[in-house]
Amino acid sequence: GAVVSQHPSWVICKSGTSVKIECRSLDFQATTMFWYRQFPKQSLMLMATSNEGSKATYEQGVEKDKFLINHASLTLSTLTVTSAHPEDSSFYICSTFSGTGTEQYFGPGTRLTVT
Amino acid sequence: DQQVKQNSPSLSVQEGRISILNCDYTNSMFDYFLWYKKYPAEGPTFLISISSIKDKNEDGRFTVFLNKSAKHLSLHIVPSQPGDSAVYFCAAISSGSARQLTFGSGTQLTVLP
Repeated sequence: GAVVSQHPSWVICKSGTSVKIECRSLDFQATTMFWYRQFPKQSLMLMATSNEGSKATYEQGVEKDKFLINHASLTLSTLTVTSAHPEDSSFYICSTFSGTGTEQYFGPGTRLTVT
Repeated sequence: DQQVKQNSPSLSVQEGRISILNCDYTNSMFDYFLWYKKYPAEGPTFLISISSIKDKNEDGRFTVFLNKSAKHLSLHIVPSQPGDSAVYFCAAISSGSARQLTFGSGTQLTVLP
């Protein structure tokens, strides 16, 4: 079964509004979660690393004030896209590791469309 | 500069034959490599991995080969099945990177019945 869930799976919002995406680890506690973005026919690009109880670490070129990440518990990390623009339309995916494993488990993704 | 490269955006193979997906990397610090399979509008699912101390890892129909001197790895699927049709990403982790994955651009595999 799935070990990581995301909600919503699909969202359409108007330009200028904010959208929150939730990522939950279902079977284990996740001190670290990763947020990726994938544009059509392109690779998954790491946006930020979310650490429980501390500030997220953002990759170069990712605006931290635009993509707000909160990792308030060991099972939940949220990504809020603030003041969304059409160019933010993308597929957002979170992932985490299970225990001491090296393999990442990915959520099913959230398709964001900004009109 | 892409540190993990998958130079073939697509590959078509007949059912029952072998599929070989290739991946090259440039960062010598990478010490763990993974292959993921992804269907449209879904998150990637882990397939198989290999540590840099090995040159081969096998799991059922899937085998990953690593050539460190050439900085090249490949995924072999045999026999290929129509359900294997998906995008395959190779990914790499470097020691000390907090286990962040660096992905290749993916290869669309189509297995023809």
